[in-house]
Amino acid sequence: QKEVEQNSGPLSVPEGAIASLNCTYSDRGSQSFFWYRQYSGKSPELIMSIYSNGDKEDGRFTAQLNKASQYVSLLIRDSQPSDSATYLCAVNRGSTLGRLYFGRGTQLTVWP
Amino acid sequence: ETGVTQTPRHLVMGMTNKKSLKCEQHLGHNAMYWYKQSAKKPLELMFVYNFKEQTENNSVPSRFSPECPNSSHLFLHLHTLQPEDSALYLCASSLDRGQSGELFFGEGSRLTVL
Repeated sequence: QKEVEQNSGPLSVPEGAIASLNCTYSDRGSQSFFWYRQYSGKSPELIMSIYSNGDKEDGRFTAQLNKASQYVSLLIRDSQPSDSATYLCAVNRGSTLGRLYFGRGTQLTVWP
Repeated sequence: ETGVTQTPRHLVMGMTNKKSLKCEQHLGHNAMYWYKQSAKKPLELMFVYNFKEQTENNSVPSRFSPECPNSSHLFLHLHTLQPEDSALYLCASSLDRGQSGELFFGEGSRLTVL
């Protein structure tokens, strides 16, 4: 079973729409959760972190965590073409300090 | 100056060559990491250094040899690699190992093994 699973996409949304990116994880003891954005040919960049159940909002981005369902999501409101990138979900299991598990990423395309 | 700098950005080597990748961070962080990124695969953690000490080796073959002379510099020495080792090698840093989810990545070194 994969540690962190994401739909690889591609996910395609029109400009101005809400993009919804989903991630599930296998270890129920996981404690911290992250979303990274990776533009084509570039390195990953941290955009959101979430540690407790519920929603966390930062500008147009909202991270949602449901530990009971082992589910993390990222919502991008008012999507822009500049949001087109691959979004990586990462989970820190907590059992091994410092071990971060990444999903394969979801490719998002926002078309004008 | 960018936070995490990697050199070279591109490297082509034969299976019998010896080369090294270099990483330098200017963020005052104490933990540094090597990750491997291959097509269609998740980022794979290779090595972790915390305050210059190696704290994790994720079952990486011995043809990859890391070196961390101080908290700002990290090397990955390569020798007798295989074509399947071709990938993007990413260096990252974090404040310390306890903040390992909040990584700052370098731009990566694209390695091609012929």
